[in-house]
Amino acid sequence: NAGVTQTPKFQVLKTGQSMTLQCAQDMNHEYMSWYRQDPGMGLRLIHYSVGAGITDQGEVPNGYNVSRSTTEDFPLRLLSAAPSQTSVYFCASSNRDTTEAFFGQGTRLTVV
Amino acid sequence: SQKIEQNSEALNIQEGKTATLTCNYTNYSPAYLQWYRQDPGRGPVFLLLIRENEKEKRKERLKVTFDTTLKQSLFHITASQPADSATYLCALESGAGSYQLTFGKGTKLSVIP
Repeated sequence: NAGVTQTPKFQVLKTGQSMTLQCAQDMNHEYMSWYRQDPGMGLRLIHYSVGAGITDQGEVPNGYNVSRSTTEDFPLRLLSAAPSQTSVYFCASSNRDTTEAFFGQGTRLTVV
Repeated sequence: SQKIEQNSEALNIQEGKTATLTCNYTNYSPAYLQWYRQDPGRGPVFLLLIRENEKEKRKERLKVTFDTTLKQSLFHITASQPADSATYLCALESGAGSYQLTFGKGTKLSVIP
């Protein structure tokens, strides 16, 4: 099994550009989430989904959109990139039974 | 809102000793607590989960305790090895029946040969 796959691994954007970070999981997990990780701040929840068609905001949702049209995919959209969104982004999935989160390998985003 | 503190940003220990990492939390009583390992440039990897009605959980050289009165979890690595060097994160479930996890900032462990 591939687990949780994130693309791209690295990305440089100019201020004001938009882009989508992709996340896919092949474990049939109900729950998927996006985190950002910044030095000294730890992992902070951006958005999450408890199933297809259902999304909600986490701790730091501003400037990001998500959708969940299928169980497998949970893309994160940056609407108008800002330097403050320079970070490492992680996607994770989990299910009701085990609750342990499986993380992707991360996307390192730099906004200049 | 709930708050999680891992009270050491960095911990250096000698190979073969027991490493003990601390996770404290406030303003909440989680149903369970989890520990993750994160290596540089990689995503966190799940290690152990301990529930509120469990005092202790073991897995190979790892041991986790959970004291709901003190609102504290201790994570021990016995007979530590240089390969154990990594950042260790604790995480609390964020609400009854919730999938959400709130993470501490992590403790960077360095095991010195």
